[in-house]
Amino acid sequence: NAGVTQTPKFRILKIGQSMTLQCTQDMNHNYMYWYRQDPGMGLKLIYYSVGAGITDKGEVPNGYNVSRSTTEDFPLRLELAAPSQTSVYFCAAEMRTGELFFGEGSRLTVL
Amino acid sequence: GENVEQHPSTLSVQEGDSAVIKCTYSDSASNYFPWYKQELGKGPQLIIDIRSNVGEKKDQRIAVTLNKTAKHFSLHITETQPEDSAVYFCALLNQAGTALIFGKGTTLSVSS
Repeated sequence: NAGVTQTPKFRILKIGQSMTLQCTQDMNHNYMYWYRQDPGMGLKLIYYSVGAGITDKGEVPNGYNVSRSTTEDFPLRLELAAPSQTSVYFCAAEMRTGELFFGEGSRLTVL
Repeated sequence: GENVEQHPSTLSVQEGDSAVIKCTYSDSASNYFPWYKQELGKGPQLIIDIRSNVGEKKDQRIAVTLNKTAKHFSLHITETQPEDSAVYFCALLNQAGTALIFGKGTTLSVSS
């Protein structure tokens, strides 16, 4: 019973590199989210999806892209990584009760 | 757009004391107000939530109160224990009702 699985857990990128953070859920939930967490700033919504083929921007979408080709997967793509994207990224899936079930996070450093 | 202010940013209490964290909001039609707890190195977990048709909800040592007229809601933890030490986040729904907007968090430290 994995819930929400994020990979990788840690990654160091050079400025200008690209990468994809993977997120998979095995709970068959339609709603999925990507948040970033910076010290003292709480959780900021990057993108979300209400179902396969549907995505929408959150509070801080610039520099990121997402896709949702299946119910299970919701990858987050960083193009041309910048130091401002150094953060901890959390993927979450929403349960029928409205509760968000979070993954354990992916810590990204851009140097 | 939606905005939620959370206070205090840090809170230190002695074991057995009570802790109160307050969130205020503006420009929100949210009818759902959850609280999440985040332990070190982990993702946030829901600990309690309240919906706008209820003024107070209690679950053992934690309670949440909601005042929609004044646009604030609070988390109350009684008889605090060291394992309550964590970061706590309040949240509310965005205008579309499709995603949660979080406060900046409160770091609670309970010393024994």
